[in-house]
Formats: sequence, structure tokens, C-alpha cells
Amino acid sequence: GNSVTQMEGPVTLSEEAFLTINCTYTATGYPSLFWYVQYPGEGLQLLLKATKADDKGSNKGFEATYRKETTSFHLEKGSVQVSDSAVYFCALSDGGGADGLTFGKGTHLIIQP
Amino acid sequence: SAVISQKPSRDICQRGTSLTIQCQVDSQVTMMFWYRQQPGQSLTLIATANQGSEATYESGFVIDKFPISRPNLTFSTLTVSNMSPEDSSIYLCSVETEDRVTGYTFGSGTRLTVV
Repeated sequence: GNSVTQMEGPVTLSEEAFLTINCTYTATGYPSLFWYVQYPGEGLQLLLKATKADDKGSNKGFEATYRKETTSFHLEKGSVQVSDSAVYFCALSDGGGADGLTFGKGTHLIIQP
Repeated sequence: SAVISQKPSRDICQRGTSLTIQCQVDSQVTMMFWYRQQPGQSLTLIATANQGSEATYESGFVIDKFPISRPNLTFSTLTVSNMSPEDSSIYLCSVETEDRVTGYTFGSGTRLTVV
């Protein structure tokens, strides 16, 4: 079956630090890959996505590249802000949208001023 | 993208009772998905609901415990039956975006506490 593995948190960084949150996946087909973010007290929001190998998703300064050879979709940001503090979920969709999403366990990111 | 209204937003329920969660979408969608997010955990897919057919449940989830209705293309309900404290979770509904490429939209969730 499908699975997503992401680094456990919490991850604590200082403002303006470089961020990497690792995500690797196992899938039977050719999945689409997503990063979702959950800010404190808010619902789940799509941050970025990639639908095929070598695609790069980007949004709000965050980037992730779909690496089929390493089955990875690591999330990066060059300079984090306090407002980036949230829980980040890596997820995949396999089956053209018919099967819903398989989520990683989530990474709690804390940015200190 | 679709806007989802989910209610109730939270509830505290007695063990042994049942709670029905409603999910209303502002556009017609083929499939709706129900997830559970246990405290401090990730989201787990409970079932997929298609209009006009029985829901498809994931391993570990059964219809008797989580009956789902899907009477039309914009509405679905999830019932948590015969609740126990272990059912305390956030329950979310989700739909695929119209372009089938952008991703999935989520409701704001129902925070359930069973006492």
C-alpha cells in the first residue's frame, strides 16, 4: 500500500534560518505529491503540489521538488518567519483523485524570533 | 476552489451516544472523503462517499461504526456511532478540486470529545 514518511518534530528554528522538512513516499503507481499546512487554530490548507517527476511546487517562499529516483518530496524555505510556525503534512494521491490522500504524520515547526 | 461548510465545529458527547457530522459543498462534486485526525496524529482516511452508492471504507473502519450518507452531489454526513473516548478526534470532510489537479479542499473540521 501507499505510505508517506516525514521527519518527526517538533522542529525549532530561529527566524531567517533555512528550513528543510524531509518527506519520502511509497506508492504503487505514479502519485501526485502535496504539502499541506495547518496553522494554529485553523483548518488544513494546501501549500504546494507536484504531479509528476521533476516538477517543482512552490508557494509563499516554500519549494519542493518531486524526485522519483529517491521517492522524495522535501520541503524547503530559504528564510523562515515566525508566521511559518505550523504543522506541515506531506501527502500523496494515487489513482487520479479517486482514492483520497495518504498523509505523513506531520511535522510541527516552531520559529523563534 | 470549492468551499466546504462543516458542522458542528465541535461537540462534547457522552459515551454510548452517536453524533452526525454534516458537510455541505458549494458546488457539485463526485466524491467526498472523510478523515479522522486523532490527537497529535496525522489524518487517516475513513471512507470515500460517492453519490448513489455505498461508501467505500478503508481498512480498520466499518459501516456500522461510521455510517455515511451521500444523498446528492453537494452534501454528505458521517455518523460516529456508539461513541467511546477513543473516538475523540477531529473529523474532516474533503473534496477534490474542480480541475482535479490542484489538490483537495478540506472542511474546517469537527472537534469531537467523548466523555
